[in-house]
Order: sequence, then C-alpha cells, then structure tokens
Amino acid sequence: SAVISQKPSRDICQRGTSLTIQCQVDSQVTMMFWYRQQPGQSLTLIATANQGSEATYESGFVIDKFPISRPNLTFSTLTVSNMSPEDSSIYLCSVGPPGGGYGYTFGSGTRLTVV
Amino acid sequence: EDKVVQSPLSLVVHEGDTVTLNCSYEVTNFRSLLWYKQEKKAPTFLFMLTSSGIEKKSGRLSSILDKKELFSILNITATQTGDSAVYLCAVESFASGTYKYIFGTGTRLKVLA
Repeated sequence: SAVISQKPSRDICQRGTSLTIQCQVDSQVTMMFWYRQQPGQSLTLIATANQGSEATYESGFVIDKFPISRPNLTFSTLTVSNMSPEDSSIYLCSVGPPGGGYGYTFGSGTRLTVV
Repeated sequence: EDKVVQSPLSLVVHEGDTVTLNCSYEVTNFRSLLWYKQEKKAPTFLFMLTSSGIEKKSGRLSSILDKKELFSILNITATQTGDSAVYLCAVESFASGTYKYIFGTGTRLKVLA
C-alpha cells in the first residue's frame, strides 16, 4: 500500500490566519481524500481531490474555506482559511485503490489548534 | 441519509478479557465494510469485509459481516494494554462513479493492566 508523508504534524495558529497542510504520496494515485476529525468525533470527509480537476466538496464544506490543490498524482494540499477555534481538529489525507483489499491509507495527520 | 453507528461508545476492560465491538449501518450502494484502529492520529487498517458470514482473522482480532442484518462485529480476545485505542468502522459506498467512506463514531477501548 502507499506511504503518505503529511506535514505539518501539528500547529497552533492564531484566529483569522490560514494554514496549508501538505500530503506527499510515494506512488501515483488518482484520488486523494481530505478528512477532518473534530475532538471526540469521527472522521468527516471534507473533499475528494482528483488530479487535473476541481475538488469535489461534501455538504457543509466550501472551497473558499478549504481550498485544495492537486498539481500532480503524488501531491495535494489543503488550506484551512480564516481560521476560528471551531477549526481545531485533526486533518487527515487519505489515498486508496477504490475497492482495494487493503483499505485506504492515511497520512500521519495534522493536529491543528486555533487560539 | 447514510449512517454508520458503533457501540459501545467506550469500554474499559482488564488485560485478558475478550471484547466485542459492534457496527451497524444504513448505506446505499454498499461495497465493503472496514475496521480501523486509531491510536494517535492516523487510523491503521485492520480488516476489509465484503461477504457475509466469512470471518476475517488476524492474531487475536477477528471480524465478521452480516449483510442481511446490516452489521459487523470486531472481536478482540486476550486483550492487552496495547489494544487501547479508538476502533473505527467505515462503510465504503460507490455511487455516480465515486467511492466514499462513511465513518462511525468509533469505540474507545481502554485495557487496564
């Protein structure tokens, strides 16, 4: 299965600022997924990022707040814009062969605290 | 609306105990059900289940799926403190050419020495 390097591992940010999270995959993948996990909650899909096309956002998430880039088949970024304390969460990127036998692989996660 | 429900929400046991974690789902266009273990931030893959009644086993962990009753269980025998984690159940669906995971809320397991 793929190996994903996610940065930063954690950050503490001031409200109103933006943070960009990067995910680098060691192999080419068609689809990358971005998740948010708020404290004590499960994972919620933010968007699906396909190379060469606009990301597809889930209900409740908008491009202005969470812009995503996918410049090639091994890399993606998620920006959390104009942050507020409610954005404090773990953010995870994920890749996987659709229907693959080994499930989806997750990056190591970014723990974001907004103060 | 698709949903995945896990129970119990949390569980505290002693080393050596056996635990059963439950996952029920209502998901259209079901493809598979997966179990993950989340210790810090990143979930790690445990099992993928697609067929009813076929047990998957890995060491002390095992899991089975019932597609008629729409649930799965994850069993852990002879628990160890290293089993302490959040166990996530996710259902993969496929619709309109897109694969998607729906995650349950997780079961937080704590194993006491």
